[in-house]
Amino acid sequence: QKEVEQDPGPLSVPEGAIVSLNCTYSNSAFQYFMWYRQYSRKGPELLMYTYSSGNKEDGRFTAQVDKSSKYISLFIRDSQPSDSATYLCALRGGNEKLTFGTGTRLTIIP
Amino acid sequence: GAGVSQSPSNKVTEKGKDVELRCDPISGHTALYWYRQRLGQGLEFLIYFQGNSAPDKSGLPSDRFSAERTGESVSTLTIQRTQQEDSAVYLCASSWQGSGNTIYFGEGSWLTVV
Repeated sequence: QKEVEQDPGPLSVPEGAIVSLNCTYSNSAFQYFMWYRQYSRKGPELLMYTYSSGNKEDGRFTAQVDKSSKYISLFIRDSQPSDSATYLCALRGGNEKLTFGTGTRLTIIP
Repeated sequence: GAGVSQSPSNKVTEKGKDVELRCDPISGHTALYWYRQRLGQGLEFLIYFQGNSAPDKSGLPSDRFSAERTGESVSTLTIQRTQQEDSAVYLCASSWQGSGNTIYFGEGSWLTVV
């Protein structure tokens, strides 16, 4: 079993829809939770970072962490074609290594 | 430069040859990371440098892989006797004082072994 599981998609939704992206993890030592966005042939860029259970909102993006269920989510409201990318969850424990999910490829259809 | 710079951006090499990939981190960033991303896969940690401390090499997949860093600047990832399974994007990232939460990635070096 992988430490971090993420549905690879692809996921296609119409413009304006709410998108839900999810990861599950097995290692309870993970303390920090991040979401990265990666456009084609580009490096990942950090979208959201959180370290506690609950919700964190930033504009159209909301990151949700449920440590008891080992489940993290990223919600995108009012999705735009420019949101089309691969979204990667990344988790960190007590050291500097980030453990990434496989990424979910998202397409927003105009 | 403003961001993490990697070179070459693309490299095609023959099986068995050695390759060197270069990374210039963001100025002032003390921590530097190398990750590998195979097609359709997540990022695999390879190695981490923090200042003058001994690097964390725990992610290097075999002794064909090595990396060096000169002080707090340029790093080189070397793959010896390349194999087809080495084909991947090699991503370099840097951060300030090893704050793994906010690391900035370069565009990657796309390696194809034929």
